Amino acid sequence: QKEVEQNSGPLSVPEGAIASLNCTYSDRGSQSFFWYRQYSGKSPELIMFIYSNGDKEDGRFTAQLNKASQYVSLLIRDSQPSDSATYLCAVISAGNQFYFGTGTSLTVIP
Amino acid sequence: GAVVSQHPSWVICKSGTSVKIECRSLDFQATTMFWYRQFPKQSLMLMATSNEGSKATYEQGVEKDKFLINHASLTLSTLTVTSAHPEDSSFYICSAGRDSPRTDTQYFGPGTRLTVL
Repeated sequence: QKEVEQNSGPLSVPEGAIASLNCTYSDRGSQSFFWYRQYSGKSPELIMFIYSNGDKEDGRFTAQLNKASQYVSLLIRDSQPSDSATYLCAVISAGNQFYFGTGTSLTVIP
Repeated sequence: GAVVSQHPSWVICKSGTSVKIECRSLDFQATTMFWYRQFPKQSLMLMATSNEGSKATYEQGVEKDKFLINHASLTLSTLTVTSAHPEDSSFYICSAGRDSPRTDTQYFGPGTRLTVL
């Protein structure tokens, strides 16, 4: 079982819709969770981090963490074509190892 | 902000030569930096963890004698690809953690695209 799993997609949503990206992790003791965005040919950039159960909002982005279900998600409201990218979920395990998911490709259709 | 730079941003070299890639944290000190490799349309692959003042920790399957890592200061780590071959052509990315908001948040450099002819 991989430490971090994401649906590779591609996920397509129309402009203005809500994009929902999901991630599960295997180490129940994990404490830190991150979402990165990677445009084609570029390096990843940090979008959000979340440490506590519940929702964390930052502009059009909302991260949701459910430690009981070992599940973290990213919602993008009012999706824009510029949001089209690969979104990487990352987790720091109880053993202090940093793990990335394989990423979900998102396409926002104008 | 947390800025990490890499140099060069791209390099083309002949097979058999060595290539050095620098990773610098510009506005913070990083005890630990990480080196990743990414092939086209594939996910990031952690190659090694670079620790200031000590030897790097390599992931399984990564040849330490081929990918030399030196973390000479709290703001600089270098990756040297020795005797590069075409199969080493890839996108090499470094990252570093800073104290704010937490030491475990990683910020990535812009990457170095290596092409070995």
